[in-house]
Amino acid sequence: GAGVSQSPSNKVTEKGKDVELRCDPISGHTALYWYRQSLGQGLEFLIYFQGNSAPDKSGLPSDRFSAERTGGSVSTLTIQRTQQEDSAVYLCASSFRQGMEPLHFGNGTRLTVT
Amino acid sequence: AQSVAQPEDQVNVAEGNPLTVKCTYSVSGNPYLFWYVQYPNRGLQFLLKYITGDNLVKGSYGFEAEFNKSQTSFHLKKPSALVSDSALYFCAVRGGSYNTDKLIFGTGTRLQVFP
Repeated sequence: GAGVSQSPSNKVTEKGKDVELRCDPISGHTALYWYRQSLGQGLEFLIYFQGNSAPDKSGLPSDRFSAERTGGSVSTLTIQRTQQEDSAVYLCASSFRQGMEPLHFGNGTRLTVT
Repeated sequence: AQSVAQPEDQVNVAEGNPLTVKCTYSVSGNPYLFWYVQYPNRGLQFLLKYITGDNLVKGSYGFEAEFNKSQTSFHLKKPSALVSDSALYFCAVRGGSYNTDKLIFGTGTRLQVFP
Protein backbone atom coordinates (compact mmCIF):
# COMPACT_ATOMS: atom_id res chain seq x y z
CA GLY A 1 0.00 0.00 0.00
CA ALA A 2 0.93 3.66 -0.29
CA GLY A 3 3.17 5.12 2.35
CA VAL A 4 3.26 8.61 3.81
CA SER A 5 3.51 11.12 0.99
CA GLN A 6 5.00 14.58 1.34
CA SER A 7 5.05 17.39 -1.16
CA PRO A 8 6.94 19.13 -2.47
CA SER A 9 10.10 17.07 -2.07
CA ASN A 10 12.20 20.20 -2.40
CA LYS A 11 11.31 23.84 -1.90
CA VAL A 12 13.52 26.86 -2.39
CA THR A 13 12.08 30.15 -1.23
CA GLU A 14 13.24 33.66 -0.58
CA LYS A 15 13.52 35.01 2.92
CA GLY A 16 10.25 36.60 4.00
CA LYS A 17 7.99 34.46 1.81
CA ASP A 18 5.37 32.06 3.15
CA VAL A 19 5.54 28.33 2.39
CA GLU A 20 3.12 25.43 2.73
CA LEU A 21 4.26 21.85 3.14
CA ARG A 22 1.81 19.01 2.62
CA CYS A 23 1.56 15.57 4.17
CA ASP A 24 -0.73 12.72 3.10
CA PRO A 25 -0.65 10.09 5.83
CA ILE A 26 -1.38 6.41 5.40
CA SER A 27 -5.12 5.87 5.15
CA GLY A 28 -6.69 5.11 8.51
CA HIS A 29 -3.78 6.43 10.56
CA THR A 30 -5.10 8.56 13.39
CA ALA A 31 -1.81 9.95 14.69
CA LEU A 32 0.21 12.42 12.60
CA TYR A 33 3.48 14.11 13.51
CA TRP A 34 5.66 16.85 12.06
CA TYR A 35 9.37 16.89 12.85
CA ARG A 36 12.24 19.04 11.62
CA GLN A 37 15.73 17.74 10.89
CA SER A 38 18.56 20.15 10.29
CA LEU A 39 21.51 18.93 8.23
CA GLY A 40 22.68 15.62 9.71
CA GLN A 41 21.12 16.46 13.04
CA GLY A 42 18.44 15.00 15.26
CA LEU A 43 14.69 15.17 14.92
CA GLU A 44 13.06 18.18 16.49
CA PHE A 45 9.42 17.64 17.40
CA LEU A 46 7.10 20.31 16.04
CA ILE A 47 3.47 19.26 16.39
CA TYR A 48 1.28 16.20 16.59
CA PHE A 49 -2.33 15.41 15.90
CA GLN A 50 -4.19 12.50 17.46
CA GLY A 51 -7.69 11.81 16.16
CA ASN A 52 -10.10 14.59 17.06
CA SER A 53 -8.12 15.79 20.07
CA ALA A 54 -6.57 19.24 20.19
CA PRO A 55 -3.10 19.08 18.63
CA ASP A 56 0.03 19.24 20.74
CA LYS A 57 1.73 22.38 19.42
CA SER A 58 4.41 22.53 22.09
CA GLY A 59 7.27 22.05 19.64
CA LEU A 60 6.49 24.85 17.23
CA PRO A 61 9.50 27.19 17.41
CA SER A 62 7.63 30.46 16.85
CA ASP A 63 4.23 31.88 15.94
CA ARG A 64 5.35 31.91 12.31
CA PHE A 65 4.74 28.17 12.29
CA SER A 66 1.27 26.64 12.17
CA ALA A 67 -0.29 23.37 11.05
CA GLU A 68 -3.69 22.03 10.24
CA ARG A 69 -5.11 18.60 9.68
CA THR A 70 -8.30 18.53 7.69
CA GLY A 71 -10.84 15.74 8.03
CA GLY A 72 -8.43 13.69 10.08
CA SER A 73 -6.28 13.05 7.03
CA VAL A 74 -4.14 15.50 5.06
CA SER A 75 -2.00 17.93 7.02
CA THR A 76 -0.42 21.22 5.99
CA LEU A 77 2.49 22.86 7.79
CA THR A 78 2.70 26.58 7.08
CA ILE A 79 5.71 28.76 7.73
CA GLN A 80 5.13 32.49 7.43
CA ARG A 81 7.82 35.07 6.72
CA THR A 82 10.49 32.41 6.32
CA GLN A 83 13.95 32.95 7.76
CA GLN A 84 17.24 31.33 6.80
CA GLU A 85 17.26 29.35 10.04
CA ASP A 86 14.06 27.65 8.88
CA SER A 87 16.11 25.76 6.27
CA ALA A 88 15.85 22.05 7.13
CA VAL A 89 14.15 18.83 6.14
CA TYR A 90 10.59 18.70 7.39
CA LEU A 91 9.41 15.17 8.09
CA CYS A 92 5.88 13.94 8.48
CA ALA A 93 4.98 10.64 10.11
CA SER A 94 1.79 8.79 10.90
CA SER A 95 0.68 5.73 12.80
CA PHE A 96 -2.50 3.69 12.93
CA ARG A 97 -2.85 3.98 16.65
CA GLN A 98 -1.15 6.12 19.21
CA GLY A 99 1.13 4.59 21.79
CA MET A 100 2.44 1.22 20.82
CA GLU A 101 2.58 1.47 17.07
CA PRO A 102 5.74 2.65 15.29
CA LEU A 103 5.63 5.70 13.09
CA HIS A 104 5.77 5.53 9.31
CA PHE A 105 7.79 8.40 7.91
CA GLY A 106 7.54 10.24 4.64
CA ASN A 107 10.65 11.15 2.67
CA GLY A 108 10.46 14.73 3.82
CA THR A 109 10.44 18.18 2.26
CA ARG A 110 13.82 19.84 1.98
CA LEU A 111 13.27 23.56 2.55
CA THR A 112 15.95 26.04 1.58
CA VAL A 113 15.48 29.70 2.45
CA THR A 114 17.77 32.01 0.48
CA ALA B 1 8.16 15.79 30.43
CA GLN B 2 9.85 12.88 28.76
CA SER B 3 13.36 13.06 27.36
CA VAL B 4 15.86 10.78 25.70
CA ALA B 5 19.65 10.99 25.50
CA GLN B 6 22.11 9.45 23.10
CA PRO B 7 25.48 10.27 24.63
CA GLU B 8 27.61 9.37 21.61
CA ASP B 9 27.54 11.44 18.44
CA GLN B 10 29.43 8.72 16.59
CA VAL B 11 30.33 5.09 17.14
CA ASN B 12 33.08 3.45 15.11
CA VAL B 13 33.39 -0.33 14.90
CA ALA B 14 35.20 -2.81 12.69
CA GLU B 15 33.14 -5.15 10.54
CA GLY B 16 32.46 -8.42 12.32
CA ASN B 17 32.78 -6.91 15.80
CA PRO B 18 29.84 -6.41 18.14
CA LEU B 19 28.32 -2.96 18.29
CA THR B 20 26.40 -1.02 20.93
CA VAL B 21 24.61 2.29 20.50
CA LYS B 22 23.58 3.80 23.82
CA CYS B 23 20.28 5.35 24.82
CA THR B 24 18.90 6.53 28.16
CA TYR B 25 15.49 7.98 28.82
CA SER B 26 13.34 9.80 31.33
CA VAL B 27 9.54 9.46 31.46
CA SER B 28 6.74 9.35 33.96
CA GLY B 29 5.14 5.96 34.11
CA ASN B 30 6.09 3.06 31.92
CA PRO B 31 8.03 3.93 28.77
CA TYR B 32 7.39 2.90 25.21
CA LEU B 33 10.81 2.77 23.53
CA PHE B 34 11.77 2.65 19.87
CA TRP B 35 14.83 2.55 17.64
CA TYR B 36 14.83 3.97 14.12
CA VAL B 37 17.54 4.01 11.46
CA GLN B 38 18.20 6.55 8.72
CA TYR B 39 20.34 5.38 5.83
CA PRO B 40 22.00 8.02 3.62
CA ASN B 41 19.48 9.76 1.38
CA ARG B 42 16.66 7.58 2.65
CA GLY B 43 13.78 8.01 5.06
CA LEU B 44 13.61 6.90 8.64
CA GLN B 45 12.85 3.24 9.16
CA PHE B 46 11.55 1.47 12.25
CA LEU B 47 13.94 -1.11 13.72
CA LEU B 48 12.39 -2.37 16.94
CA LYS B 49 10.33 -1.43 19.98
CA TYR B 50 9.84 -2.26 23.62
CA ILE B 51 6.36 -1.99 25.06
CA THR B 52 6.21 -4.62 27.78
CA GLY B 53 7.36 -8.15 28.50
CA ASP B 54 10.78 -9.61 27.75
CA ASN B 55 13.53 -7.05 28.32
CA LEU B 56 15.44 -8.22 25.25
CA VAL B 57 13.69 -7.32 22.02
CA LYS B 58 14.76 -8.35 18.55
CA GLY B 59 14.23 -6.32 15.44
CA SER B 60 15.13 -5.94 11.81
CA TYR B 61 18.55 -6.62 10.24
CA GLY B 62 19.78 -8.65 13.22
CA PHE B 63 19.54 -5.78 15.71
CA GLU B 64 18.36 -6.19 19.27
CA ALA B 65 17.95 -3.93 22.26
CA GLU B 66 17.82 -4.48 25.98
CA PHE B 67 15.45 -2.60 28.23
CA ASN B 68 16.93 -1.91 31.67
CA LYS B 69 14.44 -0.26 33.97
CA SER B 70 16.82 0.36 36.87
CA GLN B 71 19.31 2.13 34.60
CA THR B 72 16.60 3.70 32.42
CA SER B 73 18.45 2.52 29.35
CA PHE B 74 17.56 0.94 26.03
CA HIS B 75 20.86 0.24 24.26
CA LEU B 76 20.87 -1.03 20.69
CA LYS B 77 23.14 -3.98 19.96
CA LYS B 78 24.24 -6.29 17.19
CA PRO B 79 26.59 -9.26 17.63
CA SER B 80 28.45 -8.79 14.35
CA ALA B 81 28.48 -5.46 12.51
CA LEU B 82 28.27 -5.10 8.75
CA VAL B 83 29.56 -2.22 6.64
CA SER B 84 25.98 -1.82 5.41
CA ASP B 85 24.89 -1.03 8.99
CA SER B 86 26.59 2.36 8.67
CA ALA B 87 23.80 4.88 9.19
CA LEU B 88 22.26 7.35 11.63
CA TYR B 89 20.42 5.71 14.53
CA PHE B 90 17.73 7.35 16.62
CA CYS B 91 16.29 6.27 19.94
CA ALA B 92 12.77 7.50 20.76
CA VAL B 93 10.53 7.39 23.81
CA ARG B 94 6.90 7.96 24.60
CA GLY B 95 5.60 8.30 28.12
CA GLY B 96 3.15 5.98 29.81
CA SER B 97 0.11 8.08 28.97
CA TYR B 98 0.09 6.74 25.47
CA ASN B 99 -3.03 8.51 24.37
CA THR B 100 -1.59 11.94 24.93
CA ASP B 101 2.20 11.80 25.13
CA LYS B 102 4.16 12.58 22.01
CA LEU B 103 7.10 10.57 20.67
CA ILE B 104 10.41 12.29 21.40
CA PHE B 105 13.63 11.43 19.57
CA GLY B 106 17.22 11.57 20.70
CA THR B 107 19.83 13.56 18.83
CA GLY B 108 21.01 10.51 16.92
CA THR B 109 24.22 8.46 16.81
CA ARG B 110 26.14 7.99 13.60
CA LEU B 111 27.39 4.43 13.29
CA GLN B 112 30.42 3.91 11.09
CA VAL B 113 31.43 0.32 10.36
CA PHE B 114 34.87 -0.05 8.81
CA PRO B 115 35.80 -3.02 6.57
